[in-house]
Formats: sequence, structure tokens, C-alpha cells
Amino acid sequence: RKEVEQDPGPFNVPEGATVAFNCTYSNSASQSFFWYRQDCRKEPKLLMSVYSSGNEDGRFTAQLNRASQYISLLIRDSKLSDSATYLCVVTPDNNAGNMLTFGGGTRLMVKP
Amino acid sequence: EPEVTQTPSHQVTQMGQEVILRCVPISNHLYFYWYRQILGQKVEFLVSFYNNEISEKSEIFDDQFSVERPDGSNFTLKIRSTKLEDSAMYFCASSEAGTEQFFGPGTRLTVL
Repeated sequence: RKEVEQDPGPFNVPEGATVAFNCTYSNSASQSFFWYRQDCRKEPKLLMSVYSSGNEDGRFTAQLNRASQYISLLIRDSKLSDSATYLCVVTPDNNAGNMLTFGGGTRLMVKP
Repeated sequence: EPEVTQTPSHQVTQMGQEVILRCVPISNHLYFYWYRQILGQKVEFLVSFYNNEISEKSEIFDDQFSVERPDGSNFTLKIRSTKLEDSAMYFCASSEAGTEQFFGPGTRLTVL
């Protein structure tokens, strides 16, 4: 079983749509969770950290379900500029300096 | 906004040659990392570095690889004898407290 699993997509949505991505992780000891976005041939950019209580940043909402070991990302009112690959990322425990484990990413294409 | 920088942006080398990839982390960050991404694949952790020593390394980071912080600003990755399969995008990342990590733009390494 992959450590961090994501549907590769692509998700093709019209501008203004709401889209949701899920991700599952295999290590129940994982403590820190993130969503990064990656544009083609560019570096991963931190979109948001994911907290147990869930968190929202503008049009983006992230949620964590520890019991089921999955993380979600909801994007409301999609913009053309949201087109990218969204990477689900976890760290194995709460020790500082830990490696990030990346999922394979979910590709989003927002069409006019 | 402070950012991680990397040089060169693209490095072409012959199999068996040594390469050094350079990174300047964000100035007040204490944790440094190298990741790689083979074209079309997910981002993979190589090594983390804190307090002038390696704190974690992956199976990929074998004896051909080494890291160094030669001065107060640079962080380097050396590959002693490159192989064809070392061709990838290499990303440097840094973190202030070992949680959220910020990535540089990457060095594309092509081994011929």
C-alpha cells in the first residue's frame, strides 16, 4: 500500500465550480499534514497546513479525519489560476526536522 | 518575501562525473532538506540537515551523495559519480522550526 495515496485525476471543472480532493495515508502515527500545489515543472508551494480541527483560508478548506486516515481539500469558486497539481503531504511524527512524504498529486484543470 | 534560491537552474553532465548543486536557504531557517523528483513521478525525500549534521536520510541517499553547509548561507548536495538514473529535478527546502517547509525553484540535472 502506498504511504500517501491520491486520485491522479485530472479533474476538469468549469470556472466557479467547487471541487474536492481526498487523500489517504497509511501511517497512523503521522502527525503533520499539508497541501502543496505544484505547477508544471515548478517547485511545490505550500498551500496550507491541515489541523485536526480543520482550517479555512479564503476559498480553500482543509479537513483531517484521523480515524479514517484521510485528508481533504475543498476549493470553492474555482479560478483559472487554480489549475495545478495538488500534493497531499504528511510527516511521520511530531519531531522537528522530519521528512515530508508526498502523494503522487491530483491534477486540476479549470476551464473557462 | 524571503525565498530559497538554487543554482544552477539546469546542469548537464556526463555519467561518472561529480556534480555539486547549490542552495541558499531562507536566512533565519535552521532545518535544510534535499528532495528529488524524477520526471512524471512524485517528490521523494533525500536528506535532512540540522545543527551541522544529517538528521535523516532515505535509502536513495547512498554513499554517492553528500551534503555540506560550507558557510553561513550555502547548503550543497554533491553527487560523486553520477548515473543515468540520477537525472531528475532536485529541490532544496528549508524550515524555521522543522514543520512547514519552503522549496527552492529546483535544479534540473541531466546525466548523459
